[in-house]
Amino acid sequence: GQNIDQPTEMTATEGAIVQINCTYQTSGFNGLFWYQQHAGEAPTFLSYNVLDGLEEKGRFSSFLSRSKGYSYLLLKELQMKDSASYLCATPQTGANNLFFGTGTRLTVIP
Amino acid sequence: DAGVIQSPRHEVTEMGQEVTLRCKPISGHNSLFWYRQTMMRGLELLIYFNNNVPIDDSGMPEDRFSAKMPNASFSTLKIQPSEPRDSAVYFCASSLAGAGEQYFGPGTRLTVT
Repeated sequence: GQNIDQPTEMTATEGAIVQINCTYQTSGFNGLFWYQQHAGEAPTFLSYNVLDGLEEKGRFSSFLSRSKGYSYLLLKELQMKDSASYLCATPQTGANNLFFGTGTRLTVIP
Repeated sequence: DAGVIQSPRHEVTEMGQEVTLRCKPISGHNSLFWYRQTMMRGLELLIYFNNNVPIDDSGMPEDRFSAKMPNASFSTLKIQPSEPRDSAVYFCASSLAGAGEQYFGPGTRLTVT
C-alpha cells in the first residue's frame, strides 16, 4: 500500500523559518512532490525530489532521504502570503498518478 | 497558455439532479486527472486518462459517477443522480508525462442540497 503522513497544522512567525515534515511508505519510489495550496485555490507545484539531499529554490527548499522515507519542506524568511496548505505527494506505485497526503495547514502570524 | 480550464466554477443543485463538470487540459498534455477535495478526506484521485484512455477509475465512488474524454482537449465528469455527500471541490489536472508535475485547474465547487 501507499501512505503519507504530515502534521495537520503548524503556526510560525513572519520572518522566521519553518520546516514541514512528510514521511511516506511506497513499494516503488519514483520521486516526491510538494504542492502549495492557498485557501479556495488550486494546488500549485513547488518542488520535486528524486535523489537524496537538499534542493533549494529561493526561499523554499526541499529535502529527501529515500532510505528513511522522509522529506521536508523548508520555508525561510516567512511572509504572510506563505499561509497555505502544503501537500506532500508521491507517484502511485506502478501508475502515472500522484498520491497526496492530507496536507499541512501553515498559518503565518505577525 | 491559458492553463487548465474548468467549468462551471460553482454549481449548486438539488439532490437527484444530474451534474456535469467540464475540463480542458493544457494543450499538448497527454494525461488528465480528476480529483475531489473535502476537508475530511483531502485530495482524492477519482480517475485518470492517458492519451484519452481511462487508466484507473478505482477512485470513482460508485456507479453514479462517470467520466469521459472524447478527445485530447476535453473531458467531463458526470454525477447522476447527485447526493448531498457529493458536495466538494472537484479539480481537474493535466500533465505532460503522467507522474510528472501536474497542473491543476481552478476547481468546481459543487454544493448539493
